[in-house]
Amino acid sequence: GQNIDQPTEMTATEGAIVQINCTYQTSGFNGLFWYQQHAGEAPTFLSYNVLDGLEEKGRFSSFLSRSKGYSYLLLKELQMKDSASYLCALMDSNYQLIWGAGTKLIIKP
Amino acid sequence: GAVVSQHPSWVICKSGTSVKIECRSLDFQATTMFWYRQFPKQSLMLMATSNEGSKATYEQGVEKDKFLINHASLTLSTLTVTSAHPEDSSFYICSARDPTSGPSFETQYFGPGTRLLVL
Repeated sequence: GQNIDQPTEMTATEGAIVQINCTYQTSGFNGLFWYQQHAGEAPTFLSYNVLDGLEEKGRFSSFLSRSKGYSYLLLKELQMKDSASYLCALMDSNYQLIWGAGTKLIIKP
Repeated sequence: GAVVSQHPSWVICKSGTSVKIECRSLDFQATTMFWYRQFPKQSLMLMATSNEGSKATYEQGVEKDKFLINHASLTLSTLTVTSAHPEDSSFYICSARDPTSGPSFETQYFGPGTRLLVL
């Protein structure tokens, strides 16, 4: 079967850096997505990794290690507007998205 | 590009009535759309996968007769909640794949969601 784990909640300070981890177990893998979801809104796409390594996109970076079943989302120079839930989603061998429960990130001044 | 709209954004209805939610891909053709439900402080729950011109594929535990899905064109899918009850109150979100954009042809782009409150 498939399983995705990510922390329920994290707190960080404005201007700092935070890393949100996601670990998974799966028999088939076709990529890993990160989405941001502000309270009361729909998710928005942040990143996609299918090969090992780091993908950088402005203040946000995403890392993948397929052998370890591990990914992280790195947010730099945190801003108050980054307060949101961050969803890790695994694409399995059938191209179905398996969603993590999400990590609620709280940014404090 | 890859913009998805949903209508209505809010709906309040009486128990026993039916509610239709529309999901449109505005600037691309979506052969596949997805319907999700999200309860407060919980993650997304996939309800069904909607394929243009064919029957939707429902996830286990989702009643086909209660949640009717129609994907009649490449830009429109509808979800009808029939005989709605208070327990159907939730945040319903659709998404669509745009195979022509994004880092992966499997990237899903989400509509803004529809809040349903059944009294």
